Amino acid sequence: KQEVTQIPAALSVPEGENLVLNCSFTDSAIYNLQWFRQDPGKGLTSLLLIQSSQREQTSGRLNASLDKSSGRSTLYIAASQPGDSATYLCAPRSMDSNYQLIWGAGTKLIIKP
Amino acid sequence: KAGVTQTPRYLIKTRGQQVTLSCSPISGHRSVSWYQQTPGQGLQFLFEYFSETQRNKGNFPGRFSGRQFSNSRSEMNVSTLELGDSALYLCASSPTSVQSGEQYFGPGTRLTVT
Repeated sequence: KQEVTQIPAALSVPEGENLVLNCSFTDSAIYNLQWFRQDPGKGLTSLLLIQSSQREQTSGRLNASLDKSSGRSTLYIAASQPGDSATYLCAPRSMDSNYQLIWGAGTKLIIKP
Repeated sequence: KAGVTQTPRYLIKTRGQQVTLSCSPISGHRSVSWYQQTPGQGLQFLFEYFSETQRNKGNFPGRFSGRQFSNSRSEMNVSTLELGDSALYLCASSPTSVQSGEQYFGPGTRLTVT
C-alpha cells in the first residue's frame, strides 16, 4: 500500500530564501506525481505534474524533481515571497491503488516579510 | 476557461439529514473525482466518474454516493449525516482519464454537521 511522507511538516523562513520541500513514497510503481498548494480553507491549486518518465518539471520559480527508483520528489522554490505561504501537498498516482492520487499530509510553509 | 465550480460553498446540516453537493468541471473535461478533507484524516478519495460511469471508489460507507450526468456535471450525496461527515468536500476534473490527466480542483464545499 502506497504511503506518502512529507518533510518538514512545517517551515517558516524569511522572504527571499530558496527552499526545498521533500516528498517520499513507499511504492515506486507510480504513473505520475503532482504537487499542489492549498491556501487556508480553500481548494487545491495544481503546481506541477511530473510523469513517471520525467526527471523534473519547471514553472516559474518552482522546480520539481522526481527520483522514482528511490521514491522521492522535491519541490524547489526560488526567491520565496510572502505570497508563497500555503500548505504544499504532493500526490503520486500509484498504479497499485487503481491510479488514485495518494496524498501526503503536506508541508505548511510560512514566508516572513 | 472557467475553472471547476462547486455549489454550495458552505452548508450546515443536522445529524440524520441528507445532503447533495454539486460540481461542474472545466468545459471539455470528462473525468470528475471527489475527495473529503478533514484535519484528522487529511485528503481521502471518495470516487471518480468518467463519462457517467463510476471508475473508482474509495473506502467510504454506502451513505456516500455520486453520479455524473451527460454534460459531465457531477453530484455527490451523503445520506443519514453524522458529525464525522463535517469536512471540506473537494471536486477535481481532468481532461481525459484520471490516469493521464492533471487534476484541477474546485474551491470546495464546507459541510458542517451539527
